[in-house]
Amino acid sequence: GNSVTQMEGPVTLSEEAFLTINCTYTATGYPSLFWYVQYPGEGLQLLLKATKADDKGSNKGFEATYRKETTSFHLEKGSVQVSDSAVYFCALGSNNDMRFGAGTRLTVKP
Amino acid sequence: NAGVTQTPKFRVLKTGQSMTLLCAQDMNHEYMYWYRQDPGMGLRLIHYSVGEGTTAKGEVPDGYNVSRLKKQNFLLGLESAAPSQTSVYFCASRYPTGYGYTFGSGTRLTVV
Repeated sequence: GNSVTQMEGPVTLSEEAFLTINCTYTATGYPSLFWYVQYPGEGLQLLLKATKADDKGSNKGFEATYRKETTSFHLEKGSVQVSDSAVYFCALGSNNDMRFGAGTRLTVKP
Repeated sequence: NAGVTQTPKFRVLKTGQSMTLLCAQDMNHEYMYWYRQDPGMGLRLIHYSVGEGTTAKGEVPDGYNVSRLKKQNFLLGLESAAPSQTSVYFCASRYPTGYGYTFGSGTRLTVV
């Protein structure tokens, strides 16, 4: 079945550092891929998405490219801010449902 | 404000008690979902619905029941709560394929 494997955290970075959170997937067919962000005490919010191979999703300085050859969708940001501290979830969407990775907690220190 | 509303936000139950969690959305979404979130395990799908009057099992359906009598509402029931059901429950909804989900703010349930 469909599944997502996400880099385990926690990840701690200094402000303005480069961020990479790895995500790989296993799927049949042609799923869509997503990154969600969860701030403390809140639900998940869609950060970016890609619906087909080689698509790049981007939002708020974050980006991720749908790589079918490596079954990956790694999240990157060139310069993180304290306000980016949150839990990040990679997700795979198929016809009826979405499967989530375990989440990676990011803490950015000033 | 448009979105997904979950009630209640917090609840403590004794083992064996029953309760219903309510999810309401005002975006005319067809698909609705119930997930549970546990530390280190991400979100796991409990049940989902692809339209009014339909429901289907997800990854971890045991101990839960659901109903979708109206398009805007999706109810999650626990008939006899167990400590293993202590979790944060999230409801989500979406349009069909290719779109991301809109999540509610969650219900924190503790079973003692």
